[in-house]
Amino acid sequence: NAGVTQTPKFQVLKTGQSMTLQCAQDMNHNSMYWYRQDPGMGLRLIYYSASEGTTDKGEVPNGYNVSRLNKREFSLRLESAAPSQTSVYFCASSEAFRSPLHFGNGTRLTVT
Amino acid sequence: QKEVEQDPGPLSVPEGAIVSLNCTYSNSAFQYFMWYRQYSRKGPELLMYTYSSGNKEDGRFTAQVDKSSKYISLFIRDSQPSDSATYLCAMSVGVSNFGNEKLTFGTGTRLTIIP
Repeated sequence: NAGVTQTPKFQVLKTGQSMTLQCAQDMNHNSMYWYRQDPGMGLRLIYYSASEGTTDKGEVPNGYNVSRLNKREFSLRLESAAPSQTSVYFCASSEAFRSPLHFGNGTRLTVT
Repeated sequence: QKEVEQDPGPLSVPEGAIVSLNCTYSNSAFQYFMWYRQYSRKGPELLMYTYSSGNKEDGRFTAQVDKSSKYISLFIRDSQPSDSATYLCAMSVGVSNFGNEKLTFGTGTRLTIIP
């Protein structure tokens, strides 16, 4: 089992460019999440999908959009990247909305 | 003041030592407490999961929750170089209509075990 797979692993963008971060899980989990991790800030929730067909804002949603494509896939889109979005982005999934999280290995994004 | 405070370290200890990692919190509604381990350039992985107060043991790892002091600890016995990682605490409220959207993470403590 691959668990939670994120692509790409690394990305460099110029300010104003757009991109989509992809996430897929093969554990038949119902809930999926996008976090960003910054030094001294811990993991902060950007968006989540408690179940297929629903998405909600987390703590830091500004500048991002998400799509729960199906039960397996949850993508994060940056429409107009800003240097403040330089971060490591983690996708996670959980069997139920209160179950422990399983994380992917992250996408390291730099916006110049 | 952050809801969850965690000493960032770094913490270096010799192989075989007992390691104590700690988090304090301010929200008395927190009921579920977790410890995640994160190796360099990897995602966090769940290490321990406890509910309410008391101790939970899993091999060399013991998680301890003191709700009266709003303090949680992770103890690692007989520490190994493979334990070198960043350890994140996380906690959430126990209200039935809330889920992982309320999960709050500490900033992590970087631990190095010296052979």
